[in-house]
This record gives sequence, C-alpha cells and structure tokens, in this order.
Amino acid sequence: DAKTTQPNSMESNEEEPVHLPCNHSTISGTDYIHWYRQLPSQGPEYVIHGLTSNVNNRMASLAIAEDRKSSTLILHRATLRDAAVYYCILRDVEGNNAGNMLTFGGGTRLMVKP
Amino acid sequence: EPEVTQTPSHQVTQMGQEVILRCVPISNHLYFYWYRQILGQKVEFLVSFYNNEISEKSEIFDDQFSVERPDGSNFTLKIRSTKLEDSAMYFCASSYDRWAYEQYFGPGTRLTVT
Repeated sequence: DAKTTQPNSMESNEEEPVHLPCNHSTISGTDYIHWYRQLPSQGPEYVIHGLTSNVNNRMASLAIAEDRKSSTLILHRATLRDAAVYYCILRDVEGNNAGNMLTFGGGTRLMVKP
Repeated sequence: EPEVTQTPSHQVTQMGQEVILRCVPISNHLYFYWYRQILGQKVEFLVSFYNNEISEKSEIFDDQFSVERPDGSNFTLKIRSTKLEDSAMYFCASSYDRWAYEQYFGPGTRLTVT
C-alpha cells in the first residue's frame, strides 16, 4: 500500500471544527483512502473512506483533493471524546495489489481542549 | 450494535510458554484478522483468515504463530513459545467480506511475557 504522511499531533478546542490533513502523493488509481481512529486504550475504529468524491457520514467528512494526492478528515464539532490517534490509510481494493490488510502509520494524535 | 469481543483482556505468561488469545468476531462476518501493537509503536498486521485458510500474512507471522477457527464463533491466535518481544496488545478484527471497507476491531488483549 502507498505511503501516507500525517502531522504527529494537532490540538483543537472543544466544539470547534478540526481539519486533519493527510498527504499521499504516490496514491494509485485503485487505492481507497480510509480513516480510522484509536481512542485511548481501545482498538482502532473505522471512521470513513472515499475514492474520489467528498464523503459525509455521521462521524465525519472526508475531503479529497482533485488530484487525490491529499485528503482532509473534517470533524465538524470536536468533543472531548474525539481525542484519539487518527490514521489515514490507503488500501488497494480493486487493483493488482488488492488485499485486505490495513497498513497503519504513526497517525495524528488529536488533543481536544475543553 | 454487534461488536468483536476478545478474551482475556490481559494475559501474563512466562517466556517459552504457549498462549492462546481468543476472539469472537461479528456473527455474519467472513474475514478475520489479527493485528498487534507493541507499546508506543504502530498497529501491525499479522494475518487474515477466510474460509478456514490464511488469506494473507505478514513477515511477523512466523512459525511460532498459528490461527484457528475451532467452531462457528471463535477465532484464536496461538503463540507456541512466547518471547519477551511478543509482549504487545493483540487486536482481533473482522469484516463482512474481503472487499469490505470497514474492519471492526475488538478491544484487544494485552499480552505480557516475563
């Protein structure tokens, strides 16, 4: 799977929007962009995924650049419960390197201040 | 909401002993996974399992490791002769099928090898 680059940490105030960036300049045409998060002392949790178009779900929004070389996870109103490590993961679902393993990087540790 | 469960939550064992970590995946899921996370490090893929066979495995998953689905509900990871460096959080995950975008993770088993 192609490599992603994320800031090590970010800080946000409670009830404010948070934009978590991810760079993936070597993304291939069949790589889906996945976001997972890991709350303290818990297993990873799926957040959202996308291929080309922006996506919204109950947890977050995913904005994907037109050239797909970067994406941004948007939490519209951060809560204390959103403090976690957020992982941006590329996964080839359909191409020659398709597989079902997730390759986690270091992620971004989001701290939310009350 | 259905969830992946894991037992025990914490296992302490002596070096050289065999351990079995147990997981109950979500009932209608067909793909099962084990990941591990050494303290302070990244989440690492170990193995995926489908139709009673290993689908993919990483370099970490050597001959000391084995997986089994002994019945219709449990999925186990066995480490035959534990080493100090096997100390980690072990996460089980499951997904509906190979192409599913979401993998559902359990809360983890903390393995401590002394």
